[in-house]
Amino acid sequence: EDKVVQSPLSLVVHEGDTVTLNCSYEVTNFRSLLWYKQEKKAPTFLFMLTSSGIEKKSGRLSSILDKKELSSILNITATQTGDSAIYLCAVEVPYSGGGADGLTFGKGTHLIIQP
Amino acid sequence: EAQVTQNPRYLITVTGKKLTVTCSQNMNHEYMSWYRQDPGLGLRQIYYSMNVEVTDKGDVPEGYKVSRKEKRNFPLILESPSPNQTSLYFCASFGGDEKLFFGSGTQLSVL
Repeated sequence: EDKVVQSPLSLVVHEGDTVTLNCSYEVTNFRSLLWYKQEKKAPTFLFMLTSSGIEKKSGRLSSILDKKELSSILNITATQTGDSAIYLCAVEVPYSGGGADGLTFGKGTHLIIQP
Repeated sequence: EAQVTQNPRYLITVTGKKLTVTCSQNMNHEYMSWYRQDPGLGLRQIYYSMNVEVTDKGDVPEGYKVSRKEKRNFPLILESPSPNQTSLYFCASFGGDEKLFFGSGTQLSVL
């Protein structure tokens, strides 16, 4: 059974701190790993990672995939209160019946940034 | 603007009263999916559809039905809702580099 595990489940830090969120996976046929940010609404896309060791960056957020360790990290530097959200990791795998791929989600990391 | 439109945003109902949550996308995506999100359990897939008239069960399909008569619409039907179906529901369509485009969510409470 495909599995995606995120850690920590919850994290509280002060504004300005740097945080690292973890995502590990056990899947039979890896295609890509995606990160989403969810505030009080639908998840919004952050990054898609397919190749090991290549960092994706967007402002203060960055992410990297390690296919050998079957994991990914999401870094947020100089955190702001607006970074408070649930961060979801998902791994794309093909459905066993063929056709479109599916996403298996982790349970998310609830990040709270205190002023 | 590319979007997934989901209605209603909030719904409170009673046990056993049939309801439908609508979902529509304007991106001509073939693949659509329904998820429910519960605290501590993350996003779990209910049903998905790979094209018109093609639907299949996800991880938690019990108590739900779907239909895909047209490419753009993928309604979620609860024939006889129960309190354990109280949850936050998301419709999504699948395509491009962003993979999943999510609807804005439906917070359902079944009393």
